[in-house]
Amino acid sequence: EADIYQTPRYLVIGTGKKITLECSQTMGHDKMYWYQQDPGMELHLIHYSYGVNSTEKGDLSSESTVSRIRTEHFPLTLESARPSHTSQYLCASSEMGKEAQFFGPGTRLTVL
Amino acid sequence: RKEVEQDPGPFNVPEGATVAFNCTYSNSASQSFFWYRQDCRKEPKLLMSVYSSGNEDGRFTAQLNRASQYISLLIRDSKLSDSATYLCVVNIWGDYQLIWGAGTKLIIKP
Repeated sequence: EADIYQTPRYLVIGTGKKITLECSQTMGHDKMYWYQQDPGMELHLIHYSYGVNSTEKGDLSSESTVSRIRTEHFPLTLESARPSHTSQYLCASSEMGKEAQFFGPGTRLTVL
Repeated sequence: RKEVEQDPGPFNVPEGATVAFNCTYSNSASQSFFWYRQDCRKEPKLLMSVYSSGNEDGRFTAQLNRASQYISLLIRDSKLSDSATYLCVVNIWGDYQLIWGAGTKLIIKP
């Protein structure tokens, strides 16, 4: 099982604030992903990366941005949070050549 | 039509019973298949990969039917701790992304 960490676990902030959700993994996985999931709903891919300096947008349009400067680190940033961003954000990683993904515990974001 | 379809349930099953659910996929180029479980308000966790010949892991058996484009999960001697949502996941050949089903909710009752 991959060791993948997300901070903060819970975040409540006001509209208009800039936030960064952190994701780190210690397995040396090349591929990393960000998903958004509302309660009782399916996962939606919002960003992914195949390696350092590689980032792509997923199927769900998102106002967030990501960066991949180091293999182990894949932060997600919202420049100006809105109530519509309230959701759970899940980070995942996988080895190159393998499809199974391993998830962090998630960040539950509430924007007031 | 969704690429991966699952019966949302819930399946209400008494403890000790056997339960099975299916998942259908639409893309014939699908090459890798997985079952994940997700507990309420938690992250998905890989339960098992699904191999062409079918595979078993303890009380769990997964089957793949390529001709009919579905995979199945069988749980024997169900435990209260098996209560969760089970996600069917498919990978298309040549694509690193996974396609996620919406999940089947399972409730094991004492």
